[in-house]
Formats: sequence, structure tokens, C-alpha cells
Amino acid sequence: ILNVEQSPQSLHVQEGDSTNFTCSFPSSNFYALHWYRWETAKSPEALFVMTLNGDEKKKGRISATLNTKEGYSYLYIKGSQPEDSATYLCAFMSAAGGGNKLTFGTGTQLKVEL
Amino acid sequence: NAGVMQNPRHLVRRRGQEARLRCSPMKGHSHVYWYRQLPEEGLKFMVYLQKENIIDESGMPKERFSAEFPKEGPSILRIQQVVRGDSAAYFCASSPRDSMGHEKLFFGSGTQLSVL
Repeated sequence: ILNVEQSPQSLHVQEGDSTNFTCSFPSSNFYALHWYRWETAKSPEALFVMTLNGDEKKKGRISATLNTKEGYSYLYIKGSQPEDSATYLCAFMSAAGGGNKLTFGTGTQLKVEL
Repeated sequence: NAGVMQNPRHLVRRRGQEARLRCSPMKGHSHVYWYRQLPEEGLKFMVYLQKENIIDESGMPKERFSAEFPKEGPSILRIQQVVRGDSAAYFCASSPRDSMGHEKLFFGSGTQLSVL
């Protein structure tokens, strides 16, 4: 059973604050790491797909880094806005076992307050 | 360009009945994934299908659950003789091809199944 852990479980920040979350995954048999943003009553929406150690991806105020050797990824949000409030999920794909099976963490729930 | 469409959004069944959940992938997508979210848990992989083929069903319970993705029409997740423990949100996702993890998935809005 693959273990994908996200921390913190939830986070409250003020508008304008910068914040970051962690996703931990197995450091062996790495294949890919996905980040998704999931707003209440909507569908999960892909932010990044990361495949190489040292990858850094950026989309507007959101960025992510990847360390496959130690098994973690960070997601950063710069200058948080209320519309950033959502649950952020990471998902790990192992090279072992084949297939396209993503193992999801339970997410970090972010609430940005005015 | 319509996204991944799931219906119904909410489905109520009594114990012992059958539940059928439908998923129409995005236009041009030929790969479908089903995930289940139990209360207080994350998304759990159930099955991965291509048109007319089940590629990976390692996350499917051994009994009562089946999935198909016919040549024409939506993908169907079928749960026979539902029990209260089947109550969950079921999400479908699609991708244009065998991305082998390197392309993002597009998710539907889910079907919330409630078993009375």
C-alpha cells in the first residue's frame, strides 16, 4: 500500500499571506506527482504534473517543487486571495506495478480570510 | 467544449438495489478512470478503462462492482445489491490517451450515492 501524506490537514491564512503545503510520497519507484485544486461543489482541477527530480512548475501565484530522492513536493501560494480557498490534493504514481493508478493524499484544506 | 459529465449528481438507493453511475468523458478522450471518496477519506482508485477494455481493476471490490466503457456511449459503474457501506462520492476522470501518468486527468463533478 502506497502512503501519500499531506500536511497540514487544514490551514487558515489572511489575504495577502504566502503559504506552502507539503506532500510526502515513497522515494522509490517514482514515476509522476500530480497536484490538483478542488473547490467545494466543483471538480478537482489539475495544477501541475511533475515527473523529474528538481522540477519546478509555476502557474500565476502558485508554484511547486519536487524532490523525488527524499520523497516530497511543496506547493507554494504567494499573496493568497480568497479565491484560492480550496482543498489542494497531491497524487503519486509509482513506476512499479504498471498502469495509470494515481494514489491521492487526503488534501490540505486552505481557507483565505479577508 | 463540455467537460467530463457524470450523472446523476445524487443517487439514493435502498439496500439490495442496483446503482448505475454514468460518465461521459471529454470529447476526444478514450481513457476513463473511476475513483471513490468515502467519508473522511481521500480519493481511492477503482478502475481504469479504455474503450471496450478494462486495463486495471485492482481497486474494485471483488464482488458486486463492475465497470464498462462500451464502444458507443458513456462508461458505466454498476454496483449490485448495494449496502450502506457503498455510500460515497464516485468520481470519474478522463484523459485523451494512455498518458502513463505524465498528463493531467480531467475530473467530473461526481455522483453522490446514498444507500438507505
